Amino acid sequence: LAKTTQPISMDSYEGQEVNITCSHNNIATNDYITWYQQFPSQGPRFIIQGYKTKVTNEVASLFIPADRKSSTLSLPRVSLSDTAVYYCLVGDPPSGTYKYIFGTGTRLKVLA
Amino acid sequence: DSGVTQTPKHLITATGQRVTLRCSPRSGDLSVYWYQQSLDQGLQFLIQYYNGEERAKGNILERFSAQQFPDLHSELNLSSLELGDSALYFCASSPGTDQEKLFFGSGTQLSVL
Repeated sequence: LAKTTQPISMDSYEGQEVNITCSHNNIATNDYITWYQQFPSQGPRFIIQGYKTKVTNEVASLFIPADRKSSTLSLPRVSLSDTAVYYCLVGDPPSGTYKYIFGTGTRLKVLA
Repeated sequence: DSGVTQTPKHLITATGQRVTLRCSPRSGDLSVYWYQQSLDQGLQFLIQYYNGEERAKGNILERFSAQQFPDLHSELNLSSLELGDSALYFCASSPGTDQEKLFFGSGTQLSVL
């Protein structure tokens, strides 16, 4: 059973801001929220991680509301090279161990 | 470059055969993770090792096994291969075990004919 739910795909145009929302209704108290980017035939690449409120780095921002049941990855001014699959991960700690479960991800296509 | 090295990059074999995929984690990382990615199944978590010990197990078939050696490199063994095992196999590493970011290798493309 998937722990996260994301839109399957999104289209955007160059220069626009893109927001991808992930639902994680069963997030546990200790869980962090992590986003990865994957290009075809390459391994996923870490983008950003957060626990609550807002986190920003040189690539993206992550917004997490107070109830933490969802999170939004924000990519400012996307370019064609941002076309990729974006995954939202939530830690899954059964029995004290952690499993890094990737969902289906969101396939972002940036158009010229 | 993530610092995680996987070999070989490509592997072509026949049904019923056995293959070994190798992963060298980033320097200093103690955890190694294996993932399988096929077109119809997405990115599937197989297994995690931490400092030589199995830490977590995902959707790994009984025909598959893995281990992490004292020098921290890991091997994923796939036996009695079937056509459906054709996929991209990724290895990732992290310093410890607690929801850190994962660093992925470039993968091994396995084709079972």
